[in-house]
Amino acid sequence: GAVVSQHPSRVICKSGTSVKIECRSLDFQATTMFWYRQFPKQSLMLMATSNEGSKATYEQGVEKDKFLINHASLTLSTLTVTSAHPEDSSFYICSARGDGGGLGTQYFGPGTRLTVL
Amino acid sequence: QKEVEQDPGPLSVPEGAIVSLNCTYSNSAFQYFMWYRQYSRKGPELLMYTYSSGNKEDGRFTAQVDKSSKYISLFIRDSQPSDSATYLCAMKQGGSEKLVFGKGTKLTVNP
Repeated sequence: GAVVSQHPSRVICKSGTSVKIECRSLDFQATTMFWYRQFPKQSLMLMATSNEGSKATYEQGVEKDKFLINHASLTLSTLTVTSAHPEDSSFYICSARGDGGGLGTQYFGPGTRLTVL
Repeated sequence: QKEVEQDPGPLSVPEGAIVSLNCTYSNSAFQYFMWYRQYSRKGPELLMYTYSSGNKEDGRFTAQVDKSSKYISLFIRDSQPSDSATYLCAMKQGGSEKLVFGKGTKLTVNP
């Protein structure tokens, strides 16, 4: 099956610093990647949709200047949390869309646990 | 009212039991309905998907969608300890890529 990796799996940083998370599709090309956030005991929430070579589309309430997304190639998208604060501590998961006929199946990475001190 | 409601459990059953997992939703525009399985410290893995109403069976798993009631179910027959995971329902509108997830139900199957 299609494999999506994320790096790092866990990161702890000080308040005010920036953190970059990488999402890679290992065995397929992904024109579209998605970034989700999951707070404890909450649903996975879509933050933004990223298309290769173009600007990301952010969901309502997600600050595009705080969560910078770069999708420079068909296999790599990055999420940078700028000036992170403790309230940004969460589980960040990316997914990459494969060719699933009409469904456009999303394949998920293993997630990155971010803790901001 | 949240768009998708799912009882987080936890749900604990003995091996071999039939498991029933459910979600309700409020947006009648949803047309695609999915179930994901998520093991600890892993990303969600697609188990089943259904378009519109009806049933779909795959091995021990059966997905049901009742659009009139805005209610979807996942049944697991002959449950195994390896089925222990968190099960997430998700749905989306036709023509949209945005998945809306439930909170997930944590299932433990005891040997």
